[in-house]
Amino acid sequence: GAGVSQSPSNKVTEKGKDVELRCDPISGHTALYWYRQSLGQGLEFLIYFQGNSAPDKSGLPSDRFSAERTGGSVSTLTIQRTQQEDSAVYLCASSYQNHFTRDSPLHFGNGTRLTVT
Amino acid sequence: AQKVTQAQTEISVVEKEDVTLDCVYETRDTTYYLFWYKQPPSGELVFLIRRNSFDEQNEISGRYSWNFQKSTSSFNFTITASQVVDSAVYFCALGPSGYSTLTFGKGTMLLVS
Repeated sequence: GAGVSQSPSNKVTEKGKDVELRCDPISGHTALYWYRQSLGQGLEFLIYFQGNSAPDKSGLPSDRFSAERTGGSVSTLTIQRTQQEDSAVYLCASSYQNHFTRDSPLHFGNGTRLTVT
Repeated sequence: AQKVTQAQTEISVVEKEDVTLDCVYETRDTTYYLFWYKQPPSGELVFLIRRNSFDEQNEISGRYSWNFQKSTSSFNFTITASQVVDSAVYFCALGPSGYSTLTFGKGTMLLVS
């Protein structure tokens, strides 16, 4: 596939459970971003990976959230002890370098819709 | 701090009407970038345009046009002769030069019937 792939597309979990969300970026893209989209809200930045640099975790809302990117490709966003307020669509995006170069806009996946019951 | 305001939560128009989506931003940076993304019902965000702060020239692409006015910190988006396929949520976003994060507005839902 040519686009950013996210799995699962939908996830329903019980409060207190841990969840893992996966993102496969476009091949060759060095930058990877996670955003969260809550109902009626804009996109909230969570974390950013660029090559082998230390990730920018400044957007993670709590220490229950973590993410890793193995081998500079696939990324996993983990939410521990999920809460109802974690319910949202989690969007992954990738770009060749960063979104400020002329020919490198962010490419978004379709997202994972997380529902915490 | 950076902020993007899209005051219009939802706009409904009849097909073939022109519609303008407003975007007002706040930043202390002298160099920055502005973006518009479209999110159709399928959910995937689609990049529409990037504009840097040094380029205030308006841009037209088919039925789409963008009006960037630094003096009023606005980057408005106009769709001419709207079509049903234009129905989507449109996001305006702001980013500083170099890497940081993209700050998104809350989006404007456009319904074309």
